[in-house]
Amino acid sequence: DTAVSQTPKYLVTQMGNDKSIKCEQNLGHDTMYWYKQDSKKFLKIMFSYNNKELIINETVPNRFSPKSPDKAHLNLHINSLELGDSAVYFCASSRRGGTQETQYFGPGTRLLVL
Amino acid sequence: DAKTTQPNSMESNEEEPVHLPCNHSTISGTDYIHWYRQLPSQGPEYVIHGLTSNVNNRMASLAIAEDRKSSTLILHRATLRDAAVYYCILRNSGYALNFGKGTSLLVTP
Repeated sequence: DTAVSQTPKYLVTQMGNDKSIKCEQNLGHDTMYWYKQDSKKFLKIMFSYNNKELIINETVPNRFSPKSPDKAHLNLHINSLELGDSAVYFCASSRRGGTQETQYFGPGTRLLVL
Repeated sequence: DAKTTQPNSMESNEEEPVHLPCNHSTISGTDYIHWYRQLPSQGPEYVIHGLTSNVNNRMASLAIAEDRKSSTLILHRATLRDAAVYYCILRNSGYALNFGKGTSLLVTP
């Protein structure tokens, strides 16, 4: 029973393509996140959704568009992929926002843009 | 956000205790101290968090200095499975975790 799952695990694609990464959590949490880990291993927040509403939208190109069809899902769509988008993308969830809340991370999606 | 400073790497022998330090001299009174770790090729994983008092759970202990300007994550008996990058993170707002570079822990048999 995976708490936070992501598909696909690996994604290899050409520059200029459009791709989506899906995330699902079965924890009943209200808040979900997307993080990006680049080749230097820095982990950075991209987006946060609370009850399907966008809360955080860091400085991310507008080629990246998150979509939350319901509280259990937060998908990431990327248009016109660039070489620099190659990274590992992690989805996470927490019961709600709050300084004491634990975030639970998915296994990551390894994106390689050729 | 207040900043944390951690050593880049540490090494430990298996079955010995490990003390992972974190300095956060600009911590504010409402900042919680969180620790996460990331095992190789996996997503980050929560370890422990605290505000002022020392905390224990099944994974680790967190010792917080009286002035709160530093803290130490204690793994009581390191195993090979504890080899990971450990992140000390201050939280004063509700949503994002702001990861730094962390400490890469190597555990040798």
